[in-house]
Amino acid sequence: QEQLEESGGGVVQPGRSLRLSCAASGFTASRFAMHWVRQAPGKGLEWVGVILYDGRNKHYADSVNGRFTISRDNSKNTVYLQMNSLRIDDSAVYHCAREATGADVWGKGTTVIVSS
Amino acid sequence: EIVLTQSPATLSLSPGERATLSCRASQSVSGYLAWFQLKPGQAPRLLIYDASNAAPGIPARFSGSGSETDFTLTISSLEPEDFAVYYCQQRSNWPVTFGQGTRLEIK
Repeated sequence: QEQLEESGGGVVQPGRSLRLSCAASGFTASRFAMHWVRQAPGKGLEWVGVILYDGRNKHYADSVNGRFTISRDNSKNTVYLQMNSLRIDDSAVYHCAREATGADVWGKGTTVIVSS
Repeated sequence: EIVLTQSPATLSLSPGERATLSCRASQSVSGYLAWFQLKPGQAPRLLIYDASNAAPGIPARFSGSGSETDFTLTISSLEPEDFAVYYCQQRSNWPVTFGQGTRLEIK
């Protein structure tokens, strides 16, 4: 069964860093583009960024560009979201998703709370 | 950035009725438009990709149509489990963007 599982969320102070992981099972993540999408409390879905299948090309939302970095470790079948200089408005549930014909496999998400 | 505008913001219908949800793009997205269903505490669920293609396992009552800037998600006969929030998403241009969502609620 094709699955994604996020981890690494928690409570962090503004300005600090956090790294989220997205572990894939049942398929080879390196063959797909992989997205990060977040949902803040009471808000809609917001795209965060993507790493393309080649692992070199990445794109980010303006709101996180320069602060967040997506990477992948093919040996672990895992994608990462490194989040630096966190702000209160980065608080959200963070999902990873596989892009095949559409974003067809999603994880349940991990919660990040940025608070002093 | 391509802005997606969904309407209505809230749709109140009864089980068995037909639901029509709209998504309008600020510029052409060709056919790279997807629809997702989101329920509290769950991962988003892909319903439709590339405007009109149903994702595997999606019931036949869900259908998508449209092109360029105007798209529609239709649920032909609402089931109780269909009441949720629906989002459109474009992947034609970076950055990928979502609409603000349509809440489908029980009347």
